[in-house]
Order: sequence, then C-alpha cells, then structure tokens
Amino acid sequence: EAGVTQSPTHLIKTRGQQATLRCSPISGHTSVYWYQQALGLGLQFLLWYDEGEERNRGNFPPRFSGRQFPNYSSELNVNALELEDSALYLCASSLVVGHYGYTFGSGTRLTVV
Amino acid sequence: DQQVKQNSPSLRVQEGRISILNCDYTNSMFDYFLWYKKYPAEGPTFLISISSIKDKNEDGRFTVFLNKSAKHLSLHIVPSQPGDSAVYFCAARYYGGSQGNLIFGKGTKLSVKP
Repeated sequence: EAGVTQSPTHLIKTRGQQATLRCSPISGHTSVYWYQQALGLGLQFLLWYDEGEERNRGNFPPRFSGRQFPNYSSELNVNALELEDSALYLCASSLVVGHYGYTFGSGTRLTVV
Repeated sequence: DQQVKQNSPSLRVQEGRISILNCDYTNSMFDYFLWYKKYPAEGPTFLISISSIKDKNEDGRFTVFLNKSAKHLSLHIVPSQPGDSAVYFCAARYYGGSQGNLIFGKGTKLSVKP
C-alpha cells in the first residue's frame, strides 16, 4: 500500500512569490491535514480537509490556503511568501482521527530566499 | 498558548537504560493522546496511543502512562536502543465541535548512546 506522498520534496522560492505544495493521501483516506514544522517550533497545525471541505484551520494568515480534490488529494498554497515561511510542510491523512492517528508524508522543504 | 507542552528539548540515555519522555497538557477536553517518532528527513510515524479513560498502555518496549489529575503523560522506553534515537512528539486530540486535528508538542530529541 502506498503511503502519503508529497511533492515536491524541496522547493526554493523568492520572497513575494507563491508556492504550491501537493499531497496524495493513502488510498481510502478522506481526511488530509497540513502541518508546518519551522525550526524550533514543533508541528503547527495549518489546515484540515475532509470530503472536499475545509474543516478547520490553525492560527495562520489567510495567505495560507488550500483545497481538496474529488480524489482526496490536496494542495497547499502559500501566497506572498515571507522569509519566515521557510519550513518543512507535512501532510498527513487518516480515515478519521482514530486510534492510530495520522499517517504522515515525508514533507516538502520550502526555502524562501 | 501551548496546549501540549514538552518541556525537555533533549534527552541523552545510555543504551539498555530506561528513557522517560514527558508531556503536559492544559485542555481537559482532550480525549486521546498519541506519541510519534520522527527521524531526520522523514515524516513522523505513529508509535503508541492512550485513551483518556485509561492510565497505561503497553506495546513491547514502549509504555505510555497518563495521569489525568496532573494533566501529564509520559512515554517509557525499556530498554533503550541506539535505533530509538529520534525526535519524539506528544500529541493530543479534542474530538468535538469543529476540531478534529491533533495538537502537537514541540518534541524531545532522544539520543541513545551505545
């Protein structure tokens, strides 16, 4: 069974540009979660999508947005990039937030220069 | 305001000894707690979990203890092995209202020395 896949692995963008990160959940998983792991800050919750709808978002500005497609894959968009957006962005999927928690992908390392 | 706190950024343990990783939380509505392990350049992987109605859960070398009155949980690894060296994240779930996401602590880096 394929795990959660994220692309690209690395992304370098210039301040002010837009970044698009992609995530394919485990087959059959309908919920997708996005987390940001900035240096020294642990995993910060960004967005939760389930069945194509945004269910919850963390304490991030509106320039962080995303969507979930009918095949349950998801996209995270970060507009007007700032230097402090440099981080590892992790995607996770689950059937529901159940006893075994999420399955995470390996992440996209975004560097803003 | 951090709802899940891991106050020790790092822990060094000798191989064969016990590793104890601690986690405190503030939200009494959390009903499920999980531990994840993360190696560099990889995503976190699920390790062990515990429901708020229990006070202990064991899986091989890993045991999680929950003290609800103190809002404290701990992960015990016995015996510790060099392959256990990783960052360990404590996470909690509040399954109610619009929330459903896990809230993570900042992690504790465990180093197990041979």
